[in-house]
Amino acid sequence: DVKVTQSSRYLVKRTGEKVFLECVQDMDHENMFWYRQDPGLGLRLIYFSYDVKMKEKGDIPEGYSVSREKKERFSLILESASTNQTSMYLCASSLAQSYISNQPQHFGDGTRLSIL
Amino acid sequence: RKEVEQDPGPFNVPEGATVAFNCTYSNSASQSFFWYRQDCRKEPKLLMSVYSSGNEDGRFTAQLNRASQYISLLIRDSKLSDSATYLCVVRPGGSYIPTFGRGTSLIVHP
Repeated sequence: DVKVTQSSRYLVKRTGEKVFLECVQDMDHENMFWYRQDPGLGLRLIYFSYDVKMKEKGDIPEGYSVSREKKERFSLILESASTNQTSMYLCASSLAQSYISNQPQHFGDGTRLSIL
Repeated sequence: RKEVEQDPGPFNVPEGATVAFNCTYSNSASQSFFWYRQDCRKEPKLLMSVYSSGNEDGRFTAQLNRASQYISLLIRDSKLSDSATYLCVVRPGGSYIPTFGRGTSLIVHP
């Protein structure tokens, strides 16, 4: 069974702090993703990575950066946290794609981040 | 037009009822389709993939209509535990990136 583990379920930080959210998967997946989910807005993609040291911006990358030094680990960094980054953050992973593959994403438990 | 559209609901049904949700998508190059279930304040969990010929998993049946660009989810004999938000997910062929609908809320009451 795929296991995606996020480092914290709940996190409270202050405005201006640098915040690190960690995600580890144990299924040797090539692709990893960071989303945020807010009421009424659904899941929005922040960044994704399709290989070690590779990263691509998603729909809302502003104010965030990512790091993927090892295949199993994908970190999301809030450079200078702001109150509008209070949200549920979800990490996901999936196998690399092929045209006939129907590989789904698997999600971690999520981190509820509050910025005060 | 949103890429993936779902009726947000809520669909309020009694136990034992049959309920169906549709999801429309705009990208005709879409190749992979999924239904996820998300409980309140939890992560999305894969409910089922959707295959071209349609597929069934117990009380759940998923269908794909490529001509009209929609997928559907049918739940038979609804249980209280089926109460959740159901997310439709669509991914173009050869792409890493799926597009999520905003979800349909289902409430099953006694």
